[in-house]
Amino acid sequence: GAVVSQHPSWVICKSGTSVKIECRSLDFQATTMFWYRQFPKQSLMLMATSNEGSKATYEQGVEKDKFLINHASLTLSTLTVTSAHPEDSSFYICSAKGRVVTEAFFGQGTRLTVV
Amino acid sequence: LAKTTQPISMDSYEGQEVNITCSHNNIATNDYITWYQQFPSQGPRFIIQGYKTKVTNEVASLFIPADRKSSTLSLPRVSLSDTAVYYCLVGGSNDYKLSFGAGTTVTVRA
Repeated sequence: GAVVSQHPSWVICKSGTSVKIECRSLDFQATTMFWYRQFPKQSLMLMATSNEGSKATYEQGVEKDKFLINHASLTLSTLTVTSAHPEDSSFYICSAKGRVVTEAFFGQGTRLTVV
Repeated sequence: LAKTTQPISMDSYEGQEVNITCSHNNIATNDYITWYQQFPSQGPRFIIQGYKTKVTNEVASLFIPADRKSSTLSLPRVSLSDTAVYYCLVGGSNDYKLSFGAGTTVTVRA
C-alpha cells in the first residue's frame, strides 16, 4: 500500500508551548487528509478533515484555534497544537487519501506528552 | 455516514480461522467497506476493501452479502502476531469522512 510518514513519532513539550506534527504522503498525491487523536484503549476520534488548498473541516467539539491544520500541498499536512496543556497529551494520527483511490492510509502516529 | 457495529472482542487460538462480522444497515449505494488493523501505539494498517461479493488478498478475505448490510472479515490461520484491534469502516469515495467505530479486539492465544 501507499506510504504515509508522520513526524515526529513522539514529542514532549512544556505546558503553554506549541507543537507541530507533520504528515507526508510519500508516493501519492493526498487530496484529502484526516487527523485523529486516540486515548488509551479507545478508538480513533476524528478531529478534522482537510482538502488540499482549502480550510480544514473540524468535527464538533474540536477547537480550530487550538488545533491548527494546514494542507498546503498534495503531499504535506501539518497539525499544530497551540498552547498545549497536559490534557492535550494523546496519540495523534494522520491519514491520507488520493483522488483516484477509495482507501486511506495512515501514518505511524505521534505520541504527544505535555508536562 | 453509515454506522457500523462490531463485536467488542473475540478470542482465538493459533492456526484457527477468525471471522469478524460488521453490521452496517444503512450503507449507501456508493459506500465501500474497508477493514483496518491496529496494534498498540501504531497507526491503523489497511487490510482489505470491498464493495460486493467476495474480495481476497494475501492476508484476508472479505465477504459481503447481496444486501451489503453486513460484511465479514476472515483471517485464515491466525498467529499470535494477529492480536490487534480490527476496525470496519464504510464510506463513499467522494464523501469520505473516515470515522471509526469501537473496533473488535482480537486476542490470539498459543
